[in-house]
Amino acid sequence: DQQVKQNSPSLSVQEGRISILNCDYTNSMFDYFLWYKKYPAEGPTFLISISSIKDKNEDGRFTVFLNKSAKHLSLHIVPSQPGDSAVYFCAASNNGAGSYQLTFGKGTKLSVIP
Amino acid sequence: DVKVTQSSRYLVKRTGEKVFLECVQDMDHENMFWYRQDPGLGLRLIYFSYDVKMKEKGDIPEGYSVSREKKERFSLILESASTNQTSMYLCASSSGQFYSPLHFGNGTRLTVT
Repeated sequence: DQQVKQNSPSLSVQEGRISILNCDYTNSMFDYFLWYKKYPAEGPTFLISISSIKDKNEDGRFTVFLNKSAKHLSLHIVPSQPGDSAVYFCAASNNGAGSYQLTFGKGTKLSVIP
Repeated sequence: DVKVTQSSRYLVKRTGEKVFLECVQDMDHENMFWYRQDPGLGLRLIYFSYDVKMKEKGDIPEGYSVSREKKERFSLILESASTNQTSMYLCASSSGQFYSPLHFGNGTRLTVT
């Protein structure tokens, strides 16, 4: 059973516009959520995170929104740049239970068109 | 910056060989993890370790074992490599503090022929 779902395998966005990547989860015990960015032949790099006590976290062009009641989070990138083209993974963990392992979604490939 | 180093970027091994994938982190992190990444399947956890000489099975441990003799080093062992273990293997570490992210190495692309 997939606990973290990214239902869009790919997304294309024009440079300068907003990119919105979505993620749904089923485990209500998850209390920490992260987004990772991955370029081909490289390991994932941490982008931004949010704990369940918040509903929004911002870092420059990147904002993550969390809707606990809907078990949904999203990553907004504004404005999108060609260098943002990568695979984005959503991940979640239950830190409160002492679990630091992350459960990942299958990823969304973002293509930003110049 | 945290540095997680995987000893090989690319490996080609034959079916039945014993394979060692090595990972070293330089930030004195408590936790270390091995994931594999496959197209359409995302990242799946193989094994993890919260302390030296401790190990826990992840979601897909079959066919793998691990060793953590020193805090900074976490090894993944394929006892008898098979073609379905052809994959990208990713090592990660984290500090063990609440709400600390995992930091990943650049991965080892293993091909088993």
